[in-house]
Amino acid sequence: AQRVTQPEKLLSVFKGAPVELKCNYSYSGSPELFWYVQYSRQRLQLLLRHISRESIKGFTADLNKGETSFHLKKPFAQEEDSAMYYCARRLPHNTNAGKSTFGDGTTLTVKP
Amino acid sequence: EAQVTQNPRYLITVTGKKLTVTCSQNMNHEYMSWYRQDPGLGLRQIYYSMNVEVTDKGDVPEGYKVSRKEKRNFPLILESPSPNQTSLYFCASCKGTGGAERNYEQYFGPGTRLTVT
Repeated sequence: AQRVTQPEKLLSVFKGAPVELKCNYSYSGSPELFWYVQYSRQRLQLLLRHISRESIKGFTADLNKGETSFHLKKPFAQEEDSAMYYCARRLPHNTNAGKSTFGDGTTLTVKP
Repeated sequence: EAQVTQNPRYLITVTGKKLTVTCSQNMNHEYMSWYRQDPGLGLRQIYYSMNVEVTDKGDVPEGYKVSRKEKRNFPLILESPSPNQTSLYFCASCKGTGGAERNYEQYFGPGTRLTVT
């Protein structure tokens, strides 16, 4: 079965400290990976996707095919970054493009 | 405003009483999906639909049904709810899943909190 693993359910850092939320996936093909964020009392929303190589709100994520990882990083955490973060993948187009798998989520708390 | 809406937002019901949670999107998206969110288990996909009249099972389809008679709506049906279906349910839609569209984001609804007693 295709899996997305987020090993840390809870992560707490101080404001201004670097933060890394880990994500590992299982699949030998070309992955399509995303990070979604859910702020308190809000709906899930896309943070970034690997294909875009973008930086959103100071967050970046690099796809490492060798380690099958897609860790989310930010050099200086802010209090407003406190939220639940989900790593997600979609199967490649020629496999079963409708299936999406999410990790269990990591709750990030940034302390003042 | 482009959005995904769900109704009801909160529902308490009893075991065995059929219920439907509606989901609607106004973005002309082809793809729609249902998820449930449970503590410690993250988001798990229940069913998805690639287009009108095309639906398929996700990872946890047991006890659920869906239909996609028109593009904008994707209702989730619980024919005989049980307490283990108590959860927070999210509907999502996406422009598409083929070609370049496979990297398009999913837009999520606000969630429906269901309690089955």
